[in-house]
Amino acid sequence: GAVVSQHPSWVICKSGTSVKIECRSLDFQATTMFWYRQFPKQSLMLMATSNEGSKATYEQGVEKDKFLINHASLTLSTLTVTSAHPEDSSFYICSAIRTIPSTDTQYFGPGTRLTVL
Amino acid sequence: QKEVEQNSGPLSVPEGAIASLNCTYSDRGSQSFFWYRQYSGKSPELIMSIYSNGDKEDGRFTAQLNKASQYVSLLIRDSQPSDSATYLCAVNPPGNEKLTFGTGTRLTIIP
Repeated sequence: GAVVSQHPSWVICKSGTSVKIECRSLDFQATTMFWYRQFPKQSLMLMATSNEGSKATYEQGVEKDKFLINHASLTLSTLTVTSAHPEDSSFYICSAIRTIPSTDTQYFGPGTRLTVL
Repeated sequence: QKEVEQNSGPLSVPEGAIASLNCTYSDRGSQSFFWYRQYSGKSPELIMSIYSNGDKEDGRFTAQLNKASQYVSLLIRDSQPSDSATYLCAVNPPGNEKLTFGTGTRLTIIP
């Protein structure tokens, strides 16, 4: 299989603090990972594409200085929500594409539920 | 026109019947097509991928692709209450690793 984990699974923080979310591919290498956000009863919204060893590519309307992405290894990407506010409360989900063998299938992590008080 | 369109539902199907989920896409050059299942409060889970015209079967699930009509569907045979979820159709536009998702169809299997 292709297993993707996320940590933490849920987090509650105070407004103004920063929160880091980790996304790991457990049994495969992933050159490319994606970060999504999903509000209740809404569709997945792609935030950014994370590429190992290079800068992330952000979707239009997503603030790169607020949502910091680091993809330092072939199995780990991190998303840091800086100076979080209540409107950032959401379900954050990552996905990863297997590098070897090459495939275009995205495997999703279990998600991280962020609540900002 | 949306790039990937699905009927949002809800679609209600009696237990044991066949559930049919449909999806159309606008980019004729798309090559890769996926169905994901998402339970409430959970992340999407891959059910099927399909790349060639025709049918692809995996257990109770059958994906159907018709590139000429730009149409992909998912059939669920012998529907079970545990199949109740939102089903997301996703398409890879050509030359793009990103997925374009439909808004999802909410399926309810009635015992």
